[in-house]
Amino acid sequence: GNSVTQMEGPVTLSEEAFLTINCTYTATGYPSLFWYVQYPGEGLQLLLKATKADDKGSNKGFEATYRKETTSFHLEKGSVQVSDSAVYFCALSSNYGQNFVFGPGTRLSVLP
Amino acid sequence: DAEITQSPRHKITETGRQVTLACHQTWNHNNMFWYRQDLGHGLRLIHYSYGVHDTNKGEVSDGYSVSRSNTEDLPLTLESAASSQTSVYFCASGPGPDEQFFGPGTRLTVL
Repeated sequence: GNSVTQMEGPVTLSEEAFLTINCTYTATGYPSLFWYVQYPGEGLQLLLKATKADDKGSNKGFEATYRKETTSFHLEKGSVQVSDSAVYFCALSSNYGQNFVFGPGTRLSVLP
Repeated sequence: DAEITQSPRHKITETGRQVTLACHQTWNHNNMFWYRQDLGHGLRLIHYSYGVHDTNKGEVSDGYSVSRSNTEDLPLTLESAASSQTSVYFCASGPGPDEQFFGPGTRLTVL
């Protein structure tokens, strides 16, 4: 079945450091890939997405590229801020919500 | 503004009691979903619906039921609450397969 693996963290960085959160997936067919972010006490919010191979999703300085050859969708940001502290979830969708699968989440803490 | 709401936000109940968690969205989305979030498991799909009177089981549906009598609401019922169902529950809705909008969550404690 479909699955998503991501580094569980927690990840602690200093402000302005470079961020990478690794995500790899297993899926049949051609899934869409997503990164969601969850701030403390809130629901998940879509951060970015990519729907086909080699697409790059980007938002708020975050980027991720859909790499079919390595089945990966790593999240990157060049300079993190304290306000980026949250839990980040990698996810895939291949057939409506029936196959919408989330990774375990990675907690990021950014220190001033 | 369109939104998705969940109620209650916090609930404490006892083992064996029936509990219903409400989810209401005003986007007119056909697709609605219920997930539970537990440490180390991420989000796991409980039930989902693609439209009125349509319901489907997800990965962890045992002990839960849903019904969809209108577009806006998908209530989740725990028929006989168990301690293993202590969790944070998220409702989501979406216009299609590539986007889901999440509610703020309900924290349920079963004693």
